[in-house]
Amino acid sequence: DQQVKQNSPSLSVQEGRISILNCDYTNSMFDYFLWYKKYPAEGPTFLISISSIKDKNEDGRFTVFLNKSAKHLSLHIVPSQPGDSAVYFCAAPSTDKLIFGTGTRLQVFP
Amino acid sequence: ETGVTQTPRHLVMGMTNKKSLKCEQHLGHNAMYWYKQSAKKPLELMFVYNFKEQTENNSVPSRFSPECPNSSHLFLHLHTLQPEDSALYLCASSNPGSTNEKLFFGSGTQLSVL
Repeated sequence: DQQVKQNSPSLSVQEGRISILNCDYTNSMFDYFLWYKKYPAEGPTFLISISSIKDKNEDGRFTVFLNKSAKHLSLHIVPSQPGDSAVYFCAAPSTDKLIFGTGTRLQVFP
Repeated sequence: ETGVTQTPRHLVMGMTNKKSLKCEQHLGHNAMYWYKQSAKKPLELMFVYNFKEQTENNSVPSRFSPECPNSSHLFLHLHTLQPEDSALYLCASSNPGSTNEKLFFGSGTQLSVL
């Protein structure tokens, strides 16, 4: 059973517009969430996180929203840039490991 | 020097070969991990080492054998692999139990099994 789900495998957005990447989770015990960004042939790099005591965390062009009642979080990128084209993973810590979603491939076109 | 270094970056091996992947972290972390990334699948946790002790083996076949000689180095020994084992193998490190725990990944080894 997949505890962290990213139901959209891909997303295509025009440069300058908003990108919204979604993530759902099933375990109500999760209290911290992370987003990672991955370029081809590289390891994932940490992007932004949010604690369950908050419903929003912003860092520059990146904002993560958390809706605990819906067990849903989203990553907003605005304005989107071509360099944002990558695969984005959401993740949640469980015991001594991170549980990852399947990722969403974002393509930002000019 | 990057925080987590993996070698080799690419590896092609036959099913009868024996090879090893190496990972080194320069971040002073206490935990190291092996993950496998296959196409269209979540990142799959393979092994976890905490203070050099293996704390998790996520039902990984015995043809994958990890070794952690110290908290800075991690190896993955490979033997008699199958073509379906072709994937990107990622090493990561962290300080488990910290409030804002996050993993730091290496660049991975792209493995092709022929």
